[in-house]
Amino acid sequence: GESVGLHLPTLSVQEGDNSIINCAYSNSASDYFIWYKQESGKGPQFIIDIRSNMDKRQGQRVTVLLNKTVKHLSLQIAATQPGDSAVYFCAENSGGSNYKLTFGKGTLLTVNP
Amino acid sequence: GAGVSQSPRYKVTKRGQDVTLRCDPISSHATLYWYQQALGQGPEFLTYFNYEAQPDKSGLPSDRFSAERPEGSISTLTIQRTEQRDSAMYRCASSFGLAAETQYFGPGTRLLVL
Repeated sequence: GESVGLHLPTLSVQEGDNSIINCAYSNSASDYFIWYKQESGKGPQFIIDIRSNMDKRQGQRVTVLLNKTVKHLSLQIAATQPGDSAVYFCAENSGGSNYKLTFGKGTLLTVNP
Repeated sequence: GAGVSQSPRYKVTKRGQDVTLRCDPISSHATLYWYQQALGQGPEFLTYFNYEAQPDKSGLPSDRFSAERPEGSISTLTIQRTEQRDSAMYRCASSFGLAAETQYFGPGTRLLVL
């Protein structure tokens, strides 16, 4: 079936470095994408989203890039901090659904001080 | 409320018992979602409500699972005759409306069926 998946299950970076987390999706009809951060023992926390009519969106220290040609999504975190350590999930609105999100497997980001 | 809340946070039950999980969404949010999350995996859609209507329950694993939102605010997820395979984290989320609005998640209920 169609799904969202992540290339790397774990990522370890040094404090202050930039982090890049990647995600591939296969449902070309999806038109809304979200990155969530999930810390241990907590629910997923919204970070940033992007719609398919854009290819880049910036937030505070985070940037999401969308490449519809190769169905690829990435999350860039600038000047990574220990508090950024968490599991990061990408999600898509399944085939353009206005309510159903399909989540990828997750990438564990570890920031070393 | 300030965020989505869920209760209980942890539930241990014996196989065959019924359990009911509760979700209290953000007060201004019309739409409420239930997800099941296995360890190390992303949440998987179970069902959702728009106010008290439940347009899609296609993600519910079996007819032992049911959800209600009778007054369009608090919702419950009930699992009858629990089985060990039902053990998981159950997460609730809410959004202001539909049309790919941002979904805000609660802390979840960890269910363990012995």
